[in-house]
Amino acid sequence: AQSVTQLDSHVSVSEGTPVLLRCNYSSSYSPSLFWYVQHPNKGLQLLLKYTSAATLVKGINGFEAEFKKSETSFHLTKPSAHMSDAAEYFCVVTSWDTGRRALTFGSGTRLQVQP
Amino acid sequence: AAGVIQSPRHLIKEKRETATLKCYPIPRHDTVYWYQQGPGQDPQFLISFYEKMQSDKGSIPDRFSAQQFSDYHSELNMSSLELGDSALYFCASSRRESDTQYFGPGTRLTVL
Repeated sequence: AQSVTQLDSHVSVSEGTPVLLRCNYSSSYSPSLFWYVQHPNKGLQLLLKYTSAATLVKGINGFEAEFKKSETSFHLTKPSAHMSDAAEYFCVVTSWDTGRRALTFGSGTRLQVQP
Repeated sequence: AAGVIQSPRHLIKEKRETATLKCYPIPRHDTVYWYQQGPGQDPQFLISFYEKMQSDKGSIPDRFSAQQFSDYHSELNMSSLELGDSALYFCASSRRESDTQYFGPGTRLTVL
């Protein structure tokens, strides 16, 4: 079984300050982990993906995430928030070894960016 | 780059009616997934297809069915619609050997 827990349902930051969105995962096998972003009334856009090649993963729009196996975490960060980053962010896991490629989503974190 | 195409983008139906949602995957992607996202919810996996065969099944109601055609596009058929079926329905596609799924813009279904 696999699951994802996003530790904050809402995060509010000021423009130009760092962003931290927290995610913990549970998986019986070596997981693949993703962050997707969903802007209001829009589809899901892939931000970045971890698949064991490197623990620090760089994504689009200045986001990056670090895989920490000992902490079963995959937190998303950005050094400086921009107004356009305001959106819903989903941490997602899938496990190649289970043969099930369906994605399991976390409950989402709504990022608010204040001017 | 070409993306996943879904049609229609918006659909309004009455209770007990039927609806058909269509999904056109990214070229050369052979696997299609369907997800349902209720208001304020995270997306829930419904069903997936690989090479026109169902490959995995999630929380899809018996009133729903889906198939993948020879050109790899997929259709989600929904019958006896209920108010609770109102949601955003996403299609995603991937190549079989990859676990990265690319999502379409979604179809917003409203059941009145």
